[in-house]
Amino acid sequence: EVQLLESGGGLVQPGGSLRLSCAASGFTFSSFAMTWVRQAPGKGLEWVSVISGSDGSTYYADSVKGRFTISRDNSKNTLFLQMNSLRADDTAVYYCAKDSDSSGWYGVDNWGQGTLVTVSS
Amino acid sequence: QSALTQPPSASGTPGQRVTISCSGSSSNIGSNFVYWYQQLPGTAPKLLIYRNNQRPSGVPDRFSGSKSGTSASLAISGLRSEDEADYYCAAWDDSLSGRVFGGGTKLTVL
Repeated sequence: EVQLLESGGGLVQPGGSLRLSCAASGFTFSSFAMTWVRQAPGKGLEWVSVISGSDGSTYYADSVKGRFTISRDNSKNTLFLQMNSLRADDTAVYYCAKDSDSSGWYGVDNWGQGTLVTVSS
Repeated sequence: QSALTQPPSASGTPGQRVTISCSGSSSNIGSNFVYWYQQLPGTAPKLLIYRNNQRPSGVPDRFSGSKSGTSASLAISGLRSEDEADYYCAAWDDSLSGRVFGGGTKLTVL
């Protein structure tokens, strides 16, 4: 059974940084791309970033490009999202998700339960 | 404004068939697979349809997906009260080099 457990969320001041982690189990982590998706309170889903499982290629939404960095540690089956220069509109539940293949160009097939990030002074 | 356009709401009575549309462009739906997700209140999203019209194991055959050109649709037949949820379409966008979601459709079972 695929399990994805996010951690690292919390309250941070505008301009601050936060690092999210996602511990994965139940599948061969290195063989699949991994994705972060966020959902602001009362809003829809917004894709944030994806990292491929094949060559580690990364892609970002324009809204986070230059501020967020996605990475992975295949030896520890863990996905990360380093978030810098945080703004109020980054406030959201952040979901870690497993892609259906290694490229990152398809869709996700399993989701974590999410971790809440609140950016406020 | 989302790259994929969905109606904000849809509704039906138990037993009815409802359809939710998802409109995109040649750079996303027109050239890539469409995925559909169901999000029940207060929970994480769940995969409903992958690669345009494939159902994961465990998803009832009341749910079906289709794609034509730059549009896709999710159909739910034999509507049940537990189908009341938010539904999202998604696809890769070649122009953006990123994934895009629809704005979501809130389905109400009357």
